[in-house]
Amino acid sequence: EVHLVESGGGLVQPGRSLRLSCVASGFNFDDHAMHWVRQAPGKDLEWVSGIAWNNVIIGYADSVKGRFTISRDNTKNSIYLQMNSLRLEDTAFYFCGKALVGPTTPLDSWGQGTLVAVSS
Amino acid sequence: EIVLTQSPGTLSLSPGERATLSCRPSPSVGSHYLGWYQQKPGQAPRLLVYGATSRAPGIPDRFSGGVSETDFTLTITRLEPEDFAVYYCQQFGTSPYTFGQGTRLEIK
Repeated sequence: EVHLVESGGGLVQPGRSLRLSCVASGFNFDDHAMHWVRQAPGKDLEWVSGIAWNNVIIGYADSVKGRFTISRDNTKNSIYLQMNSLRLEDTAFYFCGKALVGPTTPLDSWGQGTLVAVSS
Repeated sequence: EIVLTQSPGTLSLSPGERATLSCRPSPSVGSHYLGWYQQKPGQAPRLLVYGATSRAPGIPDRFSGGVSETDFTLTITRLEPEDFAVYYCQQFGTSPYTFGQGTRLEIK
């Protein structure tokens, strides 16, 4: 069974940094692209970033480009999201998602999310 | 960026009825690169359909995806009580991989 567990969320002041982690199990991790998707409380889903199996970065949402960096470590079955210069509008649940297969396939498994709250 | 416009915003129906949800991309997107998700309150999304028309594993056959000249559709025949949720489409052909704004399917 596929399991994705996010961690690293919390309360942070504007302008500060946070690093999210997602540990995966139950599938061959280095065969799949992985993504981060966020959802502000009561709002819609927003794709944040994705990374292919071979560390090629799929891209970033315009709202986070230049501030967030996605990475992965296939030896640890993990992906990461380094979030710098955080803004109030970055407050959201951040979900880690596994792509069906390659970088142009949908997310067929999701974690339960970790909450990032940006507030002064 | 590709904008996905979902309609209607809210759909009120009764159990047993048929639901048809629409997702219109602008500019266009290849059908291979369109998926549909269901999200219930407090839960992560669940993949229903990928490649516009292929059901994800374990998804009941009352869910089906379709393609017209301009729109993608998600049809749910014979609504069950557990189908009332928010539905999102997503394109994953061109980065950034945008989502639609969602259709809320509520019990009438």
